[in-house]
Amino acid sequence: DTAVSQTPKYLVTQMGNDKSIKCEQNLGHDTMYWYKQDSKKFLKIMFSYNNKELIINETVPNRFSPKSPDKAHLNLHINSLELGDSAVYFCASSQVSGGSITDTQYFGPGTRLTVL
Amino acid sequence: AQSVSQHNHHVILSEAASLELGCNYSYGGTVNLFWYVQYPGQHLQLLLKYFSGDPLVKGIKGFEAEFIKSKFSFNLRKPSVQWSDTAEYFCAVNGAGRRALTFGSGTRLQVQP
Repeated sequence: DTAVSQTPKYLVTQMGNDKSIKCEQNLGHDTMYWYKQDSKKFLKIMFSYNNKELIINETVPNRFSPKSPDKAHLNLHINSLELGDSAVYFCASSQVSGGSITDTQYFGPGTRLTVL
Repeated sequence: AQSVSQHNHHVILSEAASLELGCNYSYGGTVNLFWYVQYPGQHLQLLLKYFSGDPLVKGIKGFEAEFIKSKFSFNLRKPSVQWSDTAEYFCAVNGAGRRALTFGSGTRLQVQP
């Protein structure tokens, strides 16, 4: 009965490869997010979707492409992986009311991506 | 733009010591404030949150935080820490109209038995 789940938990790959990370939430939330946590533990928003619509797209290389097939799923595809992409990627979800979050963001377990 | 500062990067305490972790934010409007904890190898878990009302909020595991609007601060406190509190603590904020969280750089808490 995991609220926010991600697969895979660990991903080790070579530079130049293309990989995907999947996220699913069973909380009935309408908004999902991808955050990146770098080696210094700093967390930064990458993307957010509300009801399958992209609403936040921070300054992220266009090698990163999120896709939301439905409001319970948000996947992250990364093309031409680079060494600097090594990080932990967290998915999160929340229920948004009005123009701001009045509920809590729930985070997934993270996907540790290592690019060799 | 929003920003969050956590001035304590690494804190080492003995068990039973009192804890206070600083968090300051910069944003002129109404904010929602959060403290998350990340235990070693685990995901982020919510400790407590402030949306409105009583500025002193209580969270799980004996943690509390006080929102002081005039100081743009939301410091986390616990009167007596335990070894199991060893973790990374993140302060986060989001302002009206901004749906994503802005996180501080985190504070690593190490509690020695």
